[in-house]
Amino acid sequence: LAKTTQPISMDSYEGQEVNITCSHNNIATNDYITWYQQFPSQGPRFIIQGYKTKVTNEVASLFIPADRKSSTLSLPRVSLSDTAVYYCLVGRMDSSYKLIFGSGTRLLVRP
Amino acid sequence: GAVVSQHPSWVICKSGTSVKIECRSLDFQATTMFWYRQFPKQSLMLMATSNEGSKATYEQGVEKDKFLINHASLTLSTLTVTSAHPEDSSFYICSAQVAGSTDTQYFGPGTRLTVL
Repeated sequence: LAKTTQPISMDSYEGQEVNITCSHNNIATNDYITWYQQFPSQGPRFIIQGYKTKVTNEVASLFIPADRKSSTLSLPRVSLSDTAVYYCLVGRMDSSYKLIFGSGTRLLVRP
Repeated sequence: GAVVSQHPSWVICKSGTSVKIECRSLDFQATTMFWYRQFPKQSLMLMATSNEGSKATYEQGVEKDKFLINHASLTLSTLTVTSAHPEDSSFYICSAQVAGSTDTQYFGPGTRLTVL
């Protein structure tokens, strides 16, 4: 059973900022939050990972409130090529830990 | 980041034949690799955990005699779909994490299996 809940789909327009929120009410103390992006017929691609507060890299930001029961992936100024499925996962960081995927959020960016 | 490859990228086979899919970690060692299956418009479903030098651990409902997993080295895991049938047609994806690290998991590009 997936440990996360996300909206099934979201629509946006080019140039807008997109925020996708993920709920993980039962997150454990040792769990990190990781977001992946998947295009059709490709393997998931790592976007960003965090434990608490805010993390930013060249493609996205991740906001995590103090209680860590949710997180928000922020994509600044999306383009058509950002149309994809975005998965939020929580879990430990050791190499034997299996990730369980939820349904993900299907983002459609329109011109 | 670390790179994971899969071979072949796609394969078409006749019903009843066996198909082997390779998953390689190209620039790191992985004591554990994971195999997923994904049907169209659905999420990834974990099939099994592949452990180097030992037997794989299968998720509930996954037939271990049908989906044979071998992890003979720290950089290679193979998934063999035995006696494939059309319902086994799917997108198979592997993932791996640098052994002993706290790095994220990296995924292969996937293998599209079509059974006629």
